[in-house]
Amino acid sequence: NAGVTQTPKFQVLKTGQSMTLQCAQDMNHEYMSWYRQDPGMGLRLIHYSVGAGITDQGEVPNGYNVSRSTTEDFPLRLLSAAPSQTSVYFCASSWESAWGNEQFFGPGTRLTVL
Amino acid sequence: GEDVEQSLFLSVREGDSSVINCTYTDSSSTYLYWYKQEPGAGLQLLTYIFSNMDMKQDQRLTVLLNKKDKHLSLRIADTQTGDSAIYFCAESNRDSNYQLIWGAGTKLIIKP
Repeated sequence: NAGVTQTPKFQVLKTGQSMTLQCAQDMNHEYMSWYRQDPGMGLRLIHYSVGAGITDQGEVPNGYNVSRSTTEDFPLRLLSAAPSQTSVYFCASSWESAWGNEQFFGPGTRLTVL
Repeated sequence: GEDVEQSLFLSVREGDSSVINCTYTDSSSTYLYWYKQEPGAGLQLLTYIFSNMDMKQDQRLTVLLNKKDKHLSLRIADTQTGDSAIYFCAESNRDSNYQLIWGAGTKLIIKP
């Protein structure tokens, strides 16, 4: 099993550009989520999904869109990149909700917005 | 809202015990977690404890939970250079729709 994979590993964008961060898992997990990690702060939840076709907002959803057309894939779209979105982005998956279940994390995407 | 607090850094000598502390505000927390993040990598679950437990031990790791003080600690015995990482405390409960609330992480620095 590859676990949770993310692409790209690094990305530099100009303000106003759009892009999609890819996330895939091969563990047949129902629950997937996107976090951003900023220095001196805990992980903040952007969006999550409890199964194919179902998504919901997390703590910091503005400026991001998600979709979940398959169990395996959960892409994160930045609609119009802003410098405030410079961060490290992690995708995670688990069997069910985060409650009492181990979350498996991808290696992260380091995004810089100029 | 709920909050999870950790010190940002801890420095210990190789071979000593490391104790990483975490406090949380949510009295209805039911699961508390410790995740480890090595440089350039994603987070990996180290251990977790259910809120009806006081202690959990797993090889070199000991988790202590003081529900009255809302204090969680992670003790690493015989700290090795491979333990250098950032350690995140997190909690989840039914009221937050099972979402994890994360601390900012404690960077463990090992001195030779």
